[in-house]
Amino acid sequence: AQKVTQAQTEISVVEKEDVTLDCVYETRDTTYYLFWYKQPPSGELVFLIRRNSFDEQNEISGRYSWNFQKSTSSFNFTITASQVVDSAVYFCALSEAKGAQKLVFGQGTRLTINP
Amino acid sequence: NAGVTQTPKFRILKIGQSMTLQCAQDMNHNYMYWYRQDPGMGLKLIYYSVGAGITDKGEVPNGYNVSRSTTEDFPLRLELAAPSQTSVYFCASRPLEGLNEQFFGPGTRLTVL
Repeated sequence: AQKVTQAQTEISVVEKEDVTLDCVYETRDTTYYLFWYKQPPSGELVFLIRRNSFDEQNEISGRYSWNFQKSTSSFNFTITASQVVDSAVYFCALSEAKGAQKLVFGQGTRLTINP
Repeated sequence: NAGVTQTPKFRILKIGQSMTLQCAQDMNHNYMYWYRQDPGMGLKLIYYSVGAGITDKGEVPNGYNVSRSTTEDFPLRLELAAPSQTSVYFCASRPLEGLNEQFFGPGTRLTVL
């Protein structure tokens, strides 16, 4: 069975600090996808990134970066120079690569950026 | 495109009442999904559909029913509401080919008292 663990329930930092959100996953599939979603206080889910299990290159998008390490089954998310608008709950998720590609979510990390 | 729409946004039910949560998408997506998000938790899959007339159970299907008579609509039915069904319900859709991230609706917040 697939499983995603986000060990950090809540993180609070001061604005402009860097922060890393951890994600560890379990799967027996050799091919799979990993995702990060953001849920701001308004409640909607915002897609941030998708990573194919064959692609272990790190990715950077502005202040956001993702570190995928297959050897440790981790897909960590770093926000550089955090801003108050980054305050949200962040979910890591895993899906099979074939068929319905049902998402399995972690329990989420609530990130609070204090001014 | 409106994307994925859900109605209602909020609803309060009494124990034993029934209701249908509506979900529609205008992107011609084949796959549609229903998830629930309990307080402080991640989303869990209730049911999903790979196309009109085809549905299947997810991780937490008990107490729910679905139907998919058209590509656009994927309603979720609660027959006998229970307090354990108090949750936020999200509908999502995904195309058959190409981009494989799921597009989520805004959610329906349901309280059963």
